[in-house]
Parts: sequence; structure tokens; C-alpha cells
Amino acid sequence: QVQLQESGPGLVKPSETLSLTCTVSGGSVSSGRYYWNWIRQPAGKGLEWIAYIYYSGSTNYNPSLKSRVTISVDTSKNHFSLNLSSVTAADTAVYYCARGRLVAGNFYFDYWGQGTLVTVSS
Amino acid sequence: SYVLTQPPSVSVAPGKTAGITCGGNNIGTKSVHWYQQKPGQAPLLVVYDDSDRPSGIPERFSGSYSGNTATLTISRVAAGDEADYYCQVWDSGLDHPVFGGGTKLTVL
Repeated sequence: QVQLQESGPGLVKPSETLSLTCTVSGGSVSSGRYYWNWIRQPAGKGLEWIAYIYYSGSTNYNPSLKSRVTISVDTSKNHFSLNLSSVTAADTAVYYCARGRLVAGNFYFDYWGQGTLVTVSS
Repeated sequence: SYVLTQPPSVSVAPGKTAGITCGGNNIGTKSVHWYQQKPGQAPLLVVYDDSDRPSGIPERFSGSYSGNTATLTISRVAAGDEADYYCQVWDSGLDHPVFGGGTKLTVL
């Protein structure tokens, strides 16, 4: 059974960089069948896809966040990471990592981490 | 980018059938996926590729299309089905996933 676990600081100061890591167990980030994603959800609001990375290092970002986001993968540690720079209170949210399957143009998230709350505050 | 529209809320009596809609331009040309999210929990995939169910998801959950609208149908609704439901598609123009705004299902 694949499991994903987010880790990182729960409190980040405004203008600083939010850094999170998602550790994958029961599966490999090097598998060519999957994309590794970050998704966030502000309190009481909907889901917002942030970015994905393929094991080869190929990435894609939400255009609304692209200028501030970097996603990376470390196959030796079987984890992938998110950096979001210049954060403001609007970046306060629960951040999820999730595995995405892309098959013949169909993409969905089959496994999710439990989520981690990140609060931006001084 | 591609926009998916869901009603903010749907209410249904226990034992009845609930339909949660998801609208989008030419949505019939895309595969639609549905997630259930209960309070304090991560989303759970309940329907993928329009109408398939992951292992462990009851047959009461089904997906369908009509015109420019996809629908998640939950039959014999129980209190445990009360949750937020999100539809999701792949935006082939920008090569990334898109979520609908979510629908809160209330079991009366």
C-alpha cells in the first residue's frame, strides 16, 4: 500500500520561503507511471493544484503560483519537495502531497498524504 | 484555463439518491474524476475515468454525463456520505489538473 507523508514547518513568517517534503513509502518516486504533486486547501475553501514533478525531473506549475514555486524530487531518498517563496497570509493552508496517474490523457490522484497545516504569520 | 462549475451545496434525505453536478465546456470530451473529502481528512478518490470505482468504493457511487455536465450519483445515501465532493479533469491545453469548486453534501 502506497503511503505519502508531508513534513515541514507549521509556521512560516511573511516574505519567507515555505518548504515541505513528501516522503513516499510502499512505492517509488522513480516509477515512470506516476506524477508527484502538491495541492493546497485554505480553511473552508476548495482544492488548488500547485505543481507536479515526474521522476525524470520534468515539472509543471499552476500559472498563478509559477513565479514563486519550485518542486524537486530526490529519488535516492524517495521523496519530493516544495518550495514556495515570498509567502503571505494568503498562502496559509493545508498542503497535501498526492500521487497522480496519467494514462492516455486521463489524470487523477489515487493516493494522498494526510495533509499538513502551514500558517503564515509573524 | 479550463473551469469546472459545481453547486455549492446539495441536500438529500437518508436512503434517497443524490446527484452532484460538474459543468464545463465540452466536458464530455474529458475524463472526469470525483473525490470525497470528510472534515479533517484528505480527499479520497471515489470515481475515476468518468464511471470507474477504485477498490473498496461501494457500487452506490457512480458517474455519468449529460451534455456539458458530469454527474456523481450516490444512491441509498447514508449519514456517512456527508462530505465535500470535488470533480477534477485534465486541462490538456496547459497540461495540468483542474478541480471544481466543491459541493457540500448534507444528509438531512
